[in-house]
Amino acid sequence: TQLLEQSPQFLSIQEGENLTVYCNSSSVFSSLQWYRQEPGEGPVLLVTVVTGGEVKKLKRLTFQFGDARKDSSLHITAAQPGDTGLYLCAGRYNFNKFYFGSGTKLNVKP
Amino acid sequence: NAGVTQTPKFQVLKTGQSMTLQCAQDMNHEYMSWYRQDPGMGLRLIHYSVGAGITDQGEVPNGYNVSRSTTEDFPLRLLSAAPSQTSVYFCASSYSNQRGGSDTQYFGPGTRLTVL
Repeated sequence: TQLLEQSPQFLSIQEGENLTVYCNSSSVFSSLQWYRQEPGEGPVLLVTVVTGGEVKKLKRLTFQFGDARKDSSLHITAAQPGDTGLYLCAGRYNFNKFYFGSGTKLNVKP
Repeated sequence: NAGVTQTPKFQVLKTGQSMTLQCAQDMNHEYMSWYRQDPGMGLRLIHYSVGAGITDQGEVPNGYNVSRSTTEDFPLRLLSAAPSQTSVYFCASSYSNQRGGSDTQYFGPGTRLTVL
């Protein structure tokens, strides 16, 4: 059983469309991270959210942490082919333990 | 800085063989972790270390051993490889701050292991 449930698992959209990826749990996390991973490489951190209700923006990417610190979302506006990749959420549960979601594989077609 | 390096990049083992996956970081990070990534499962924590001489178990520790004799190195040992250990293994490191370990983990490029 995954501590963090990520949805959708796969997403294939046209360039210019908007999308939202969700990361949900029944557990409370002290912080939550979003990573992007390219094939054959390790995950690279995009953002960390710490405070319940926090919203962070990174160009066309908007990240939100739920008020109860149990869930998060990643919204991409006007997706581009360069956004293609595997998006992973990770929750910091206890000291140095991080639990990852199963990932969302995004394909943006030109 | 090279960041986090892992060797080998690829490895094929036969069931029952043992081997060590190497991980090194040159950022003087206190925290280091080992994960495995399987299709549809995300990354799962195997073992982690909060400093030289200190290690602890993660989500899926069975079949793996670790030690941390220096700040830079954190090797992962497979004692008797099994097909269920076929996976991609990632090492990560992070620095410490006032809240303990940092939220920012730096990942290596991974080791793709196949056990026949």
